[in-house]
Amino acid sequence: QLQLQESGPGLVKPSETLSLTCTVSGGSISSSSYYWGWIRQPPGKGLEWIGSIYYSGSTYYNPSLKSRVTISVDTSKNQFSLKLSSVTAADTAVYYCARLNGGLSAFDIWGQGTMVTVSS
Amino acid sequence: QSVLTQPPSASGTPGQRVTISCSGSSSNIGSNTVNWYQQLPGTAPKLLIYRNNQRPSGVPDRFSGSKSGTSASLAISGLQSEDEADYYCAAWDDSLNGVVFGGGTKLTVL
Repeated sequence: QLQLQESGPGLVKPSETLSLTCTVSGGSISSSSYYWGWIRQPPGKGLEWIGSIYYSGSTYYNPSLKSRVTISVDTSKNQFSLKLSSVTAADTAVYYCARLNGGLSAFDIWGQGTMVTVSS
Repeated sequence: QSVLTQPPSASGTPGQRVTISCSGSSSNIGSNTVNWYQQLPGTAPKLLIYRNNQRPSGVPDRFSGSKSGTSASLAISGLQSEDEADYYCAAWDDSLNGVVFGGGTKLTVL
């Protein structure tokens, strides 16, 4: 069955760039039926969509984060990645990667999430 | 401030029926389908309802969703202790050209 796993540094310094990778196993990231997305959740707060990408590289970003976000895909490694630049303490959150199922119009499979703290 | 509005909390006793509301606008709920996610403590969100009222396989029929105009609701009947969780609604927003979530509702089973 399809699984997603986030990886990357758990601690990032203010003003630096947060970089995370989501590895997809048990299925192909190149399937035409799915987009792939990043969602974050600050401690004790709700969910915030960051952006989504198609295997072809087509992207959608949250307008509030668009100037700082880059999402890319590497189909040869079955991975997609998130880069968030100029981070501040407000970017401290659990970051989830998830599959956006076009048939359901919903995020149907989620990674376990990874905590990223922004601190000097 | 979330684009979709949910009550911060809800509660019920075992066996009761509870509903959680989600209010939006013409650019999101009014023109697109609504999804609901359940987040148990310390875990990743799980898809509970998609396309307003459809349940993924494995989701008990105690959970149901509905949509009317620019609002949606999640109903849980026969409330159980294991239903204690945070619930989030979500929809595509045509104006923002992206996914928007509600602020979440913490359900307590008394």
